[in-house]
Amino acid sequence: QSALTQPPSASGSPGQSVTISCTGTSSDVGAYNSVSWYQQHPGKAPKLMIYEVYKRPSGVPDRFSGSKSGNTASLTVSGLQAEDEADYYCSSYAGTYVFGTGTKVTVL
Amino acid sequence: QVQLLESGPGLVKPSHTLSLTCTVSGGSISSGGFYWSWIRQHPGKGLEWIGYIYYSGTTYYNPSLKSRITMSIDTSKNQFSLKVSSVTAADTAVYFCARGDDYDNYLDYWGQGTLVTVSS
Repeated sequence: QSALTQPPSASGSPGQSVTISCTGTSSDVGAYNSVSWYQQHPGKAPKLMIYEVYKRPSGVPDRFSGSKSGNTASLTVSGLQAEDEADYYCSSYAGTYVFGTGTKVTVL
Repeated sequence: QVQLLESGPGLVKPSHTLSLTCTVSGGSISSGGFYWSWIRQHPGKGLEWIGYIYYSGTTYYNPSLKSRITMSIDTSKNQFSLKVSSVTAADTAVYFCARGDDYDNYLDYWGQGTLVTVSS
């Protein structure tokens, strides 16, 4: 099972929006709505930000939103803040988990 | 609040077996609706799913690691464990344990991670 494809980096100024794509196949991202997104700051554990494509766990700001079209899922961070600078990973579950390659988000 | 904590040797010799334990607090490992996962992250790299185990002992492993992986669970201690046999330098990584939601399939609680280095 190959890793899902994400752009290596993305950036935006404070207050702007950034969107990260996550491309899989018709056997994973395209087949199920079990797409989740994780934020990871350096030296820390990943934190769940989005699950089931667009749902936010309690405590996650509504600046974070998710969507999916075909075999590609997306995470949008609106109103960028300094603390949003981190690595972001998507994941798809199709009986087993597969993670994305990761995207480093920089707040300029 | 559920908390997970990994423990085990930080240094393992090549060809030996890596053994880690994850202790769960703030909730029962026997609770239905969840499974208990291991994920690793090679230095400077992305996340790699290793596998997960239900409280019943049923396991699902990453096919690429399956031949070297064994997971077990001890409900009396609220712990689950990972063994990776015949390790090489390529198994050097930070190992995370996490709780998985069995209905919507996401990983909601993670341990802090523990670095395991394979070296003689």
